[in-house]
Amino acid sequence: AQSVTQPDIHITVSEGASLELRCNYSYGATPYLFWYVQSPGQGLQLLLKYFSGDTLVQGIKGFEAEFKRSQSSFNLRKPSVHWSDAAEYFCAVGTPTNAGKSTFGDGTTLTVKP
Amino acid sequence: KAGVTQTPRYLIKTRGQQVTLSCSPISGHRSVSWYQQTPGQGLQFLFEYFSETQRNKGNFPGRFSGRQFSNSRSEMNVSTLELGDSALYLCASSPSGQGRETQYFGPGTRLLVL
Repeated sequence: AQSVTQPDIHITVSEGASLELRCNYSYGATPYLFWYVQSPGQGLQLLLKYFSGDTLVQGIKGFEAEFKRSQSSFNLRKPSVHWSDAAEYFCAVGTPTNAGKSTFGDGTTLTVKP
Repeated sequence: KAGVTQTPRYLIKTRGQQVTLSCSPISGHRSVSWYQQTPGQGLQFLFEYFSETQRNKGNFPGRFSGRQFSNSRSEMNVSTLELGDSALYLCASSPSGQGRETQYFGPGTRLLVL
């Protein structure tokens, strides 16, 4: 069975500073990896996804993530954070035969200081 | 295309009652998955339906059930509600729930059990 760990429960960064949110996964084969963002009281919005190929993937809102098989990681990055990025971020893993069943990390809450 | 819609958005019930939540997937999507989100347990997979058949099931008691109709719309039912069932229930859809697919999430139904 697959699992996902997001080591940071809460991160605070200043507006304009860079951001990196960590995600580690456990899965026997190449996983399908996703990052979602959730604003308070809302559903999940997909930021980016990785299925195969280029290990650096670009997403919406200026986010990118890098898949590192050797470290079982899929960290999310943004070079310059905006106040509107404050939200909760979830890393998720899926598998080719069970794309309808994702396993989520516990989430990282991002606070942006003015 | 319209996104995933969930009704109702908010619901208040009392212990022992039952509740039915509804989800309409994106047009053309045949896989519908349900997740429960709570502060203590995070995002947990409930079940997935495809072509009116439950294809995957998470680790929830039998009080949680679901079904899917021929138009891919899905309902989930929780019987004999407990206080711990208070949560945000998220529905997600994808074309087939297999392969390189992304799940698209609805806004959720927030259930409060008193």
